Amino acid sequence: AQSVTQLDSQVPVFEEAPVELRCNYSSSVSVYLFWYVQYPNQGLQLLLKYLSGSTLVKGINGFEAEFNKSQTSFHLRKPSVHISDTAEYFCAVTPLRTGFQKLVFGTGTRLLVSP
Amino acid sequence: EAEVAQSPRYKITEKSQAVAFWCDPISGHATLYWYRQILGQGPELLVQFQDESVVDDSQLPKDRFSAERLKGVDSTLKIQPAELGDSAMYLCASSLHQGRNGYTFGSGTRLTVV
Repeated sequence: AQSVTQLDSQVPVFEEAPVELRCNYSSSVSVYLFWYVQYPNQGLQLLLKYLSGSTLVKGINGFEAEFNKSQTSFHLRKPSVHISDTAEYFCAVTPLRTGFQKLVFGTGTRLLVSP
Repeated sequence: EAEVAQSPRYKITEKSQAVAFWCDPISGHATLYWYRQILGQGPELLVQFQDESVVDDSQLPKDRFSAERLKGVDSTLKIQPAELGDSAMYLCASSLHQGRNGYTFGSGTRLTVV
């Protein structure tokens, strides 16, 4: 089985500052990795995904994430945040194998951007 | 851009009543998922369909929850009777390739049981 740990429940940051949201996962098999963003009372929107290849993945809205297999991490970063980035961010994994698999989510990190 | 449609957006119901949620996935997406998201937590899978067949309902409380996707297109999730602990956001998602490229989520149904 897979599990995801998001180490910070809330991250406060000032506008235009850099931010890193941490994600660690546990799995006995290789995985695909995802970051989703959720605005209040909305569904989840895919920010970026790692399937294979380059470990640095770029997504929408200026976000990027780096896959580190040895540390089983997939931290999300943005060099300069905007007020509009205030939202809940979820890291998720699914196993890299055939058959029907499910997406397992972490508990989320609330990013609070203030002026 | 294609979207996953869900209705209603908000639902308030009294405990012990029945409630139903509807989802219409992106056209051509064979895999459909219902997730439950309790406030302050990440989404958890309730049921997964491939076409009209259930492939995973291990976390679905079957004594009160039911889900169907009769024609392999839209889907309904029902709760009867509703309990206070069922208050949550119910999210529907769909995908190609069994989700290996990620899911597309709907806007969800916020259920409040009073």
